[in-house]
Amino acid sequence: GEDVEQSLFLSVREGDSSVINCTYTDSSSTYLYWYKQEPGAGLQLLTYIFSNMDMKQDQRLTVLLNKKDKHLSLRIADTQTGDSAIYFCAEKTGGSYIPTFGRGTSLIVHP
Amino acid sequence: DTAVSQTPKYLVTQMGNDKSIKCEQNLGHDTMYWYKQDSKKFLKIMFSYNNKELIINETVPNRFSPKSPDKAHLNLHINSLELGDSAVYFCASSPGKNTGELFFGEGSRLTVL
Repeated sequence: GEDVEQSLFLSVREGDSSVINCTYTDSSSTYLYWYKQEPGAGLQLLTYIFSNMDMKQDQRLTVLLNKKDKHLSLRIADTQTGDSAIYFCAEKTGGSYIPTFGRGTSLIVHP
Repeated sequence: DTAVSQTPKYLVTQMGNDKSIKCEQNLGHDTMYWYKQDSKKFLKIMFSYNNKELIINETVPNRFSPKSPDKAHLNLHINSLELGDSAVYFCASSPGKNTGELFFGEGSRLTVL
């Protein structure tokens, strides 16, 4: 299996909450990231969490980390059409130069 | 002011041609990267330079040659282009070589006919 797995698609109604899930395999991951890619653009770092944290909140974004299950989630409250994008989960260990990216989850927000 | 800028944004060319993509960052970062994103949005690291020194060189055909004239620039030259090279190529930079906080350019879409 892949090192970082995400479901490919998520569809939500505008105003609802979105929850994008990610699982990873490397128990020595020290940092976990969420990136956002809007159509025709590069990836943009949204938020990240250290592996010794359970939760991080930043305005409408909430990141939850279950280290035991190696599960990371990104919750977007009050989802707007502007949140439609591909969201990439990534993990990094201390020993690697670069993060390992998942394949991305396409979030589709409909009225 | 664009932090990581790539040129050209679009490139359409014939098989067998040679082409280059240029990247510049004005963030003062030490480390730069080239990623390839395929049609299914999968991101694959190709190369990374730290202070002009090559530190990552993944399994990439040797038709691909990166060049870093200084730490603010990382160019990608591709010889003898093939159909399978069609993709979006992203340049990125980071403050150092051991961080997952990457700053991406807008991408260069290469189409090989």
